[in-house]
Amino acid sequence: AQKITQTQPGMFVQEKEAVTLDCTYDTSDPSYGLFWYKQPSSGEMIFLIYQGSYDQQNATEGRYSLNFQKARKSANLVISASQLGDSAMYFCAMREAQSGSARQLTFGSGTQLTVLP
Amino acid sequence: DTEVTQTPKHLVMGMTNKKSLKCEQHMGHRAMYWYKQKAKKPPELMFVYSYEKLSINESVPSRFSPECPNSSLLNLHLHALQPEDSALYLCASSQVRGGNQPQHFGDGTRLSIL
Repeated sequence: AQKITQTQPGMFVQEKEAVTLDCTYDTSDPSYGLFWYKQPSSGEMIFLIYQGSYDQQNATEGRYSLNFQKARKSANLVISASQLGDSAMYFCAMREAQSGSARQLTFGSGTQLTVLP
Repeated sequence: DTEVTQTPKHLVMGMTNKKSLKCEQHMGHRAMYWYKQKAKKPPELMFVYSYEKLSINESVPSRFSPECPNSSLLNLHLHALQPEDSALYLCASSQVRGGNQPQHFGDGTRLSIL
């Protein structure tokens, strides 16, 4: 079974509007962390936001927020006020405590976001 | 600018060549990673170094040989590669401990095998 599922291969959003990118995960580890990365066509993976399994509040970083629903095992990324520069591939990733001392990540398949002018 | 520097940015090589990819970070991270990424796919983990020792090899063919000469440097030596090895190779680093700390990635090396 896939540990991280991103069901939206591609998404379009109008500039200045908000968009939600879906991510569901599967783990039996009570301690885990969820990360979102942005990858423009240039190739660099840019860290956006982190949510820990024990965090009581949803994470926010500027225009990025995470809609974390632990019971549903979902960690959707919300981008507010979309900008043309937000056009990129977005990956959801999970790190489980049982993965050991190195910070291994399991990535989802990604969502290609296109912001329309 | 990224805090993880990868060189070269682009590399074209024949199947009989030997080349090396280099990665450098000065964030004091003691875990470093190599990933392979095909177009429109997520990164696939290849190797993990923890405290300069190889801790994970994800069954990578021996034509890829990693090396971690010190805590700031990570190399990937390439020899007798196949056309299917053409991909974006990403280096990343992170703290070994600290669950909320992300991996920091470089810009990657785009490798083409002729």
